[in-house]
Amino acid sequence: DADVTQTPRNRITKTGKRIMLECSQTKGHDRMYWYRQDPGLGLRLIYYSFDVKDINKGEISDGYSVSRQAQAKFSLSLESAIPNQTALYFCATSEGGTNEQFFGPGTRLTVL
Amino acid sequence: QKEVEQNSGPLSVPEGAIASLNCTYSDRGSQSFFWYRQYSGKSPELIMFIYSNGDKEDGRFTAQLNKASQYVSLLIRDSQPSDSATYLCAVKRQAGTALIFGKGTTLSVSS
Repeated sequence: DADVTQTPRNRITKTGKRIMLECSQTKGHDRMYWYRQDPGLGLRLIYYSFDVKDINKGEISDGYSVSRQAQAKFSLSLESAIPNQTALYFCATSEGGTNEQFFGPGTRLTVL
Repeated sequence: QKEVEQNSGPLSVPEGAIASLNCTYSDRGSQSFFWYRQYSGKSPELIMFIYSNGDKEDGRFTAQLNKASQYVSLLIRDSQPSDSATYLCAVKRQAGTALIFGKGTTLSVSS
């Protein structure tokens, strides 16, 4: 089984809909991250969490919110989706004090 | 100026050649530097990281760091077609922060 899983893997939705992307990990890591990737723009950090009670905004948090329900689960929500949120979304995890981030398989989101 | 900059490429090299990928960063206080490889449609995977000035070698890969000039590079020796991918440079500015990624350089190795 994969160590970092993301659901759904693909999602097509309409403008104005609320969407939740979920990330789960079995690596036992305390730190979790959400990135989005757009062609030509690379990976950009949306939110990150260093433990269950810690939530931090990244460089592009507007229009997004997150919830760290447990050490192993970190969800990303789009309260009212808009077309420019169409992107590939990655969840990542890392162990505090180390540096390697492990990425999930990604969720491809299309907002029509 | 973006925090982490890379030439988007594509960088094309023949099989067996050395591929040189470069990255510059703006925060002089940055502590750790990473190279990730990402195949098309897949998630990024870590190749190597470097903390100290100088070279760090791992198989066919060598990371080079020059903090005074604020650049980090990745050399791939004996390039193979399987090395064709996008290479992402990432920087950790200080302890307790997340990685900041560059836009990536696309490498194409022709056989």
